[in-house]
Amino acid sequence: AQSVTQPDIHITVSEGASLELRCNYSYGATPYLFWYVQSPGQGLQLLLKYFSGDTLVQGIKGFEAEFKRSQSSFNLRKPSVHWSDAAEYFCAVGAQGYSTLTFGKGTMLLVSP
Amino acid sequence: GAGVSQSPSNKVTEKGKDVELRCDPISGHTALYWYRQSLGQGLEFLIYFQGNSAPDKSGLPSDRFSAERTGGSVSTLTIQRTQQEDSAVYLCASSRGQLEAFFGQGTRLTVV
Repeated sequence: AQSVTQPDIHITVSEGASLELRCNYSYGATPYLFWYVQSPGQGLQLLLKYFSGDTLVQGIKGFEAEFKRSQSSFNLRKPSVHWSDAAEYFCAVGAQGYSTLTFGKGTMLLVSP
Repeated sequence: GAGVSQSPSNKVTEKGKDVELRCDPISGHTALYWYRQSLGQGLEFLIYFQGNSAPDKSGLPSDRFSAERTGGSVSTLTIQRTQQEDSAVYLCASSRGQLEAFFGQGTRLTVV
C-alpha cells in the first residue's frame, strides 16, 4: 500500500530564510508525486508535480522539489520564504492506473518576522 | 465556473440528521474525488468517479456514506444519520487525468 510521511508537523522559519519541507513515500511502482498548499479556510492548491524526467521540478510561487528515488523522498524547497507562505503543506503520491492520491498529514509552516 | 465549486461552505447539523454536500467540478473534467479532512489527520480518500465507470467506493467509512454523480458532472455526497465523528471538512476535487487534481474550498461539517 502507498504511504506518505511528512515527519515535521510544524516548522517555523524566519522571513527571508530558506525552507525545506520533508516528504518520504512508500510505493512499489514509479510514483507520481505532488505538493499542495492550503491556506486557512481554503482548498488545496497544487504547487508542483513530478511524473518523470528531470528530478528537479519547479513550481509556482518560487517553490521547487527534488525527487530522490534512492531515498524515497520528494522534499520541497524555497530559497527565501515570504510571510505569505505561511500555510499548511501536503505531499501526495499516486500512480497511473490508481484512482486516488495518498496524502501525508501535512506540515504547518509558520513564518516569523 | 473556473474552479471546483462546493456548497454549502459551512453546515451545522444535529446528530442523527441526514446531510447532502454538493460538488460542481471543472467543466470537462472526467474524474471527481471526495476527500475528508479531519484535524491533524491529513486527507482521507472517500470515493472516486471516472467517466461512466463504476465509482471506487473503497474509502467510504460506513454505509451511512454514499455519493452519486449525475450526468458525469455534479456530485452529491450524502451522510445519513450523522454522528459527531463525521465532523470534518469535506473536499471535492476534479481532474482531466494524470491525477492532477484541482480542489474546491470544501464544506465544513459540524455535527452537534
